[in-house]
Amino acid sequence: QSALTQPASVSGSPGQSITISCTGTSSDLGCYNCVSWYQQHPGKAPKLVIFDVTNRPSGVSNRFSGSKSGNTASLTISGLQAEDEADYYCSSYTTTINVFGGGTKLTVL
Amino acid sequence: EVQLVQSGAEVKKPGESLKISCKSSGYSFAIYWIGWVRQMPGKGLEWMGMVYPGDSDTRYGPSFQGQVTISADKSITTAYLQWNSLKASDTAMYYCVKHRGGNGWRFDYWGQGTLVTVSS
Repeated sequence: QSALTQPASVSGSPGQSITISCTGTSSDLGCYNCVSWYQQHPGKAPKLVIFDVTNRPSGVSNRFSGSKSGNTASLTISGLQAEDEADYYCSSYTTTINVFGGGTKLTVL
Repeated sequence: EVQLVQSGAEVKKPGESLKISCKSSGYSFAIYWIGWVRQMPGKGLEWMGMVYPGDSDTRYGPSFQGQVTISADKSITTAYLQWNSLKASDTAMYYCVKHRGGNGWRFDYWGQGTLVTVSS
């Protein structure tokens, strides 16, 4: 498995919605529900925000949502807030291996 | 409350050995995989591998197989990442991660990170 492809950067204004894509091959993202998303603020450890394509861990805002179509997964953040400014990483996994995307820097204008 | 507390920053020379640790609490340590993720300076996340504390079974990412050793001591709920001979390219932040459970590697808790600097 090679690294998943994400845009280097996305931006949006407060209150808007943005979507971050994560593209792989059929061997990476051809699985049923094998995608997670992590948020990382500068100087901090990453945090799980979406798992199994669409599920939010307890405590994560419902402004975060995930989806997948074919070999592309997406993270949507609605009602952008200043605190959402961070790096976001997608991850694809099986029972034996995990691969991360290259990361996307979200700037809240 | 689940906590993963990692050992402190290290500065080493090329060729030296190193073992960093991750002390876990707040959950049943033996029944959840635990492992490590590397983040080189200014770069993205890389999955290194996992260990199942219950029976010490391990899984490694292709880039890390044979380069590091991941282990766990369930008697003291601590996971380890070990190098026998460090290289300058091992300079990175290393995060301890807990598997959420179920199928596939989803990491619901992360340690605070251990910065390893390898320089002559």
